[in-house]
Amino acid sequence: KQEVTQIPAALSVPEGENLVLNCSFTDSAIYNLQWFRQDPGKGLTSLLLIQSSQREQTSGRLNASLDKSSGRSTLYIAASQPGDSATYLCAVRNDGGFKTIFGAGTRLFVKA
Amino acid sequence: NAGVTQTPKFQVLKTGQSMTLQCAQDMNHNSMYWYRQDPGMGLRLIYYSASEGTTDKGEVPNGYNVSRLNKREFSLRLESAAPSQTSVYFCASSPITGSLPNEKLFFGSGTQLSVL
Repeated sequence: KQEVTQIPAALSVPEGENLVLNCSFTDSAIYNLQWFRQDPGKGLTSLLLIQSSQREQTSGRLNASLDKSSGRSTLYIAASQPGDSATYLCAVRNDGGFKTIFGAGTRLFVKA
Repeated sequence: NAGVTQTPKFQVLKTGQSMTLQCAQDMNHNSMYWYRQDPGMGLRLIYYSASEGTTDKGEVPNGYNVSRLNKREFSLRLESAAPSQTSVYFCASSPITGSLPNEKLFFGSGTQLSVL
């Protein structure tokens, strides 16, 4: 059974700092991995999707990496801004399935 | 571009009452999903529909039923609500056909349900 873990559960950083959010998964037979952003009281917005054959994806100040063999993904946020404050969730879809399994998320607070 | 639309946004029920959460997507997606989100537990899959006419159980299906009314609509029904079903419910859709690994999930804005 696939399990997804995100550490830390919460993180507070000063504005301008570069930071890394971590995601680990137990079953390496994944189809893809997505990083989502969730603002309080809102739905989830997809930030980046990494296919199983890829090692990383970039969008603006965000870079997501994938290491299937070790069951890890990281989301790197460069030059953080107060507007980046949100909860970031990692989600994994397994090979051959339609289910996407989510981690509990990392709550990020960027101080001005 | 409406995307995924959920109704209602908020609902309060008494134990034992029934209700249906509605979800509709206008992106011509094949797959639709119902998740619940509880503090510290992330999102858990309740039911999903891989395509029109099919539904399958997810991680936490007990106490729920679903209907894929057509390609656009996927409803979630609580037949006899319990306090343990207090949660935020999200509907999602995806173009997933099972053949392409780059198909993203798109979410609605959620329904906050309280069962007293």
